[in-house]
Amino acid sequence: AQSVTQLGSHVSVSEGALVLLRCNYSSSVPPYLFWYVQYPNQGLQLLLKYTSAATLVKGINGFEAEFKKSETSFHLTKPSAHMSDAAEYFCAVTEGGGGNKLTFGTGTQLKVEL
Amino acid sequence: DTAVSQTPKYLVTQMGNDKSIKCEQNLGHDTMYWYKQDSKKFLKIMFSYNNKELIINETVPNRFSPKSPDKAHLNLHINSLELGDSAVYFCASSQDRGRYEQYFGPGTRLTVT
Repeated sequence: AQSVTQLGSHVSVSEGALVLLRCNYSSSVPPYLFWYVQYPNQGLQLLLKYTSAATLVKGINGFEAEFKKSETSFHLTKPSAHMSDAAEYFCAVTEGGGGNKLTFGTGTQLKVEL
Repeated sequence: DTAVSQTPKYLVTQMGNDKSIKCEQNLGHDTMYWYKQDSKKFLKIMFSYNNKELIINETVPNRFSPKSPDKAHLNLHINSLELGDSAVYFCASSQDRGRYEQYFGPGTRLTVT
């Protein structure tokens, strides 16, 4: 069975500081992993995806994530936070199989302070 | 053009009523989904259709019934609404039933009073 754990329901950083949002997964098969961002009162927007090619994945808005099989992790990073990055971030996993069911983590609220 | 659209955006209704949410995608995708986001922002899949065929049916009350008239549309009908049905419902689509990324609609906030 697939599952995702996001450590830290709230993360606060200063503008210009490094952003690190943590995601650990569990999967019985090689997983596909995704990060989504949700701005207030909006839908989910895909930031980036890991599909078993390169372990370091670059996404939109300067975000990237590294797949580490030994640590079952897929942490999201951004070198320099911007005020516009304040949002809810979700990590998700899919094993495929009978359907493309995404299992989401509980989300991390990112706050960016001046 | 909006890739995945939902109507209505907000829905306020009383307990016991029946309501529907509509979803349309113009991406040419074969697979569509319904997710529920609760008050703690936890997202959980409800249903998935591939080319009008139901392929995922999670543990959801029978009061919820999805319908896919064609592969570009997936509607959600809810009978006898309960307070606990209050949530944001998201429609999504993906290229196919394989492990493709999913594109989400803007959501429908359902409030049951």
